Amino acid sequence: KQEVTQIPAALSVPEGENLVLNCSFTDSAIYNLQWFRQDPGKGLTSLLLIQSSQREQTSGRLNASLDKSSGRSTLYIAASQPGDSATYLCAVSLDSSYKLIFGSGTRLLVRP
Amino acid sequence: GAVVSQHPSRVICKSGTSVKIECRSLDFQATTMFWYRQFPKQSLMLMATSNEGSKATYEQGVEKDKFLINHASLTLSTLTVTSAHPEDSSFYICSARVGGVVGEQYFGPGTRLTVT
Repeated sequence: KQEVTQIPAALSVPEGENLVLNCSFTDSAIYNLQWFRQDPGKGLTSLLLIQSSQREQTSGRLNASLDKSSGRSTLYIAASQPGDSATYLCAVSLDSSYKLIFGSGTRLLVRP
Repeated sequence: GAVVSQHPSRVICKSGTSVKIECRSLDFQATTMFWYRQFPKQSLMLMATSNEGSKATYEQGVEKDKFLINHASLTLSTLTVTSAHPEDSSFYICSARVGGVVGEQYFGPGTRLTVT
């Protein structure tokens, strides 16, 4: 059974720092992996989608990497800003059904 | 960009009543919609997969007679919580998938259900 784990559960950093969020999954046979952002009481915003054949994706200050063989993905946020404060979720899809299995999330606080 | 809406955003109901939540894809046709449930400080758990014109597929442990899903068109799926109980209080989120190879999902803003 696929399990997705995110470390750390919570992170507090001063504005301007570069930071890395970690995601690991137990079964390397994934279809794709997505990183999402969730603001309190709100839905999810997709940040980056990495197909199983890809190694990384970049969007602005965000960079996500994928190492399928080791079951790991990282989300790198450069020059963090208070507006980046949110919960970040990673999720894997096992097949073309695109059903997602979510990690428990990392709650990020960027202090001004 | 692709937009998914949910209605209502918040609902309070009495124990034993039924509540219907709508999920709409506003500017695209969704081949598949998914329903998730999120308890406080926990992650999202998939409840069911909804395909237009066919019966929903429920995840293990989710009661299909309690959580009725209807996917009547390519832009609308509904989740009805029947005979709601306080333990059904949760944040319900839907997502809609755009067909094609990439198959990215777009999530609705969620519905906060409180059963008193």
